[in-house]
Amino acid sequence: DIQMTQSPSSLSASVGDRVTITCQASQDINNYLNWFQQRPGKAPKLLIYDASTLETGVPSRFSGSGSGKNFTFTISGLQPEDFATYYCQQYTNLPPDVTFGPGTKVDI
Amino acid sequence: QVQVLQSGTEIKKSGSSVKVSCKASGDTSNSFSVSWVRQAPGHGLEWMGGTIPVAGRTHYAQKFQGRVTLSAGESTDIAYMELRNLTSADTGIYYCARGLIPGHMLHWGQGTLVAVSS
Repeated sequence: DIQMTQSPSSLSASVGDRVTITCQASQDINNYLNWFQQRPGKAPKLLIYDASTLETGVPSRFSGSGSGKNFTFTISGLQPEDFATYYCQQYTNLPPDVTFGPGTKVDI
Repeated sequence: QVQVLQSGTEIKKSGSSVKVSCKASGDTSNSFSVSWVRQAPGHGLEWMGGTIPVAGRTHYAQKFQGRVTLSAGESTDIAYMELRNLTSADTGIYYCARGLIPGHMLHWGQGTLVAVSS
């Protein structure tokens, strides 16, 4: 099974800050890596898929990069509504399998 | 736009089973796949399995293999997750999420709370 790690597990930041979260897979996953935002009491929301493609309607301050085993998620210009937990998630298709990272909690 | 509506809160006894439904409405043309994700209280997200009803394909995470069944109704717009032999460790919020493939979870339901007590 593919394992996912994220760092940091939590961080505190101020409005306007640039925030970076890293995610590492236990083996090469090409670019099959997605990023989710989960606000307290809400369902997760897909922000970025295939490592770097912004989902429709997601603000451009969110971005992602990386391939292989190492990935980065960035929020450029943190907004108050960005207080949330962020998860990376890898997937394979043959056979289908999905693993989430442990999450990074962002406190404003 | 796709809306996903899940069934309501379930209170269960240890050893029993629970069946949660997930119904999509709106433009479901790119929501062939249904994944189920569990979140225990104060914990992260855990994928349970995924199904592509129109293709008759289902895959389970190893942890849940043998204890969970994912299925679809006569209409592929409705999906079900049944979890058997419940214990307190199964307490949590269960989400369904739809997309093109199990790994692409775009449209999420509101979550269903399952509480298991002895």
